[in-house]
Amino acid sequence: NAGVTQTPKFQVLKTGQSMTLQCAQDMNHNSMYWYRQDPGMGLRLIYYSASEGTTDKGEVPNGYNVSRLNKREFSLRLESAAPSQTSVYFCASNGGQYYGYTFGSGTRLTVV
Amino acid sequence: SQQGEEDPQALSIQEGENATMNCSYKTSINNLQWYRQNSGRGLVHLILIRSNEREKHSGRLRVTLDTSKKSSSLLITASRAADTASYFCATAVNYGQNFVFGPGTRLSVLP
Repeated sequence: NAGVTQTPKFQVLKTGQSMTLQCAQDMNHNSMYWYRQDPGMGLRLIYYSASEGTTDKGEVPNGYNVSRLNKREFSLRLESAAPSQTSVYFCASNGGQYYGYTFGSGTRLTVV
Repeated sequence: SQQGEEDPQALSIQEGENATMNCSYKTSINNLQWYRQNSGRGLVHLILIRSNEREKHSGRLRVTLDTSKKSSSLLITASRAADTASYFCATAVNYGQNFVFGPGTRLSVLP
C-alpha cells in the first residue's frame, strides 16, 4: 500500500543514548517532514526536506539531526536523548503545497 | 505562539448532530487544511481550501475560509460515533514549504 512507513513504532531509551528513527515514502514526493506531538501542543516541526539533498530546521530542531538519504528516505537522529524528547514522532511527505500531507503512523518514544 | 488555534478545545455532541470547529490564524496563508487524528494514530488529511476560495465541500464536511478575519471553520454534518477524533487545522507558510498545526479540537460523538 502506498504511504509513509515509520520504524520503530515504540522505543524506550535511557538518557544519553542515541537512536535513529527511520521514515520511507513510496509516493515519489519531493518534500518530507519530521514532527513531534506533545499533549496540548499540536504538532511542531523539527526538520524538513523540500527536496532530495536539502534539509532545513523547523520550529524545534535542537537535539536532533536529519539525513535525506535519497528521495524515499528521511531519517531523524537523536544523538544524546533527553527526557524532554519523550514524545510521539511523526514523519510526513507532501507532493506540493496544494496537496495534503501523508503521515506515518508514528513512533512513541520514551526517554527515562 | 501557535499560527493556528482551534476552538473549542473539546466538543461533545450526540450522534446525528452537527459539529462545528473553528480555526484562527495570525499571518497570511497560501492555503489551509484540516486533518483528523484518531487516538494513537497518524493524522489523515481531510480537505484543503486555497486562500482565494471561500467554501469547500467533501461528503459530510464543509469548510469555510474568511481571510479578512483570518479564520476557518469545519462543519461535520450528521455526525457518527466514528467521527470521534481530534481535528487539526494547518496553515501553509513559507510559500507553502511547510505547514503549522494548531493544538486541535477533541470531538466526542456519543451514541
